[in-house]
Amino acid sequence: AQKVTQAQTEISVVEKEDVTLDCVYETRDTTYYLFWYKQPPSGELVFLIRRNSFDEQNEISGRYSWNFQKSTSSFNFTITASQVVDSAVYFCALGDYKLSFGAGTTVTVRA
Amino acid sequence: DGGITQSPKYLFRKEGQNVTLSCEQNLNHDAMYWYRQDPGQGLRLIYYSQIVNDFQKGDIAEGYSVSREKKESFPLTVTSAQKNPTAFYLCASAGRSHHEQYFGPGTRLTVT
Repeated sequence: AQKVTQAQTEISVVEKEDVTLDCVYETRDTTYYLFWYKQPPSGELVFLIRRNSFDEQNEISGRYSWNFQKSTSSFNFTITASQVVDSAVYFCALGDYKLSFGAGTTVTVRA
Repeated sequence: DGGITQSPKYLFRKEGQNVTLSCEQNLNHDAMYWYRQDPGQGLRLIYYSQIVNDFQKGDIAEGYSVSREKKESFPLTVTSAQKNPTAFYLCASAGRSHHEQYFGPGTRLTVT
């Protein structure tokens, strides 16, 4: 069975602060993929990143960065210099053709 | 523009009625998925289809039915057997690699 745990239910920050979202996963598969999705108030999930289990290289995309550590089964997501537009629910997911989602972390960025 | 459309955005039904939610994609994706999202919770998989005329149950298929007669379309029927049908329903599709799933805007179903 696969499981994704996002321990933080809600995070509230002031604009320009950094935000780190934790994601811990469990799987018996040797090959798997990890994802982060953003769900703004409109409701549609937006794909942010995919990382496969063989690639532990960290990735940076603009103000977003991801830290994958296979040894601790974690795939954490950091938003640097947060902005009000970053306010959303963020989901971590695990799988291949079937995904298991965490419960989500609601990020609120205050001006 | 390529994408996934779901209609309608809001749907209201009386208890005991079946209702069908539409999902169409023009991304030429082979796989399509239906998820249910309840307030404060993650997404739970209802049904998925990897090819036309074939589909599998997800984690919470009871009370739901689907069909996949065309590659572009994957309608979901919420039957009267579904005990708690009020929820936000999201459709997704994925290409041959099946890795990234792309989502539609969702349908919010309210049953009273």
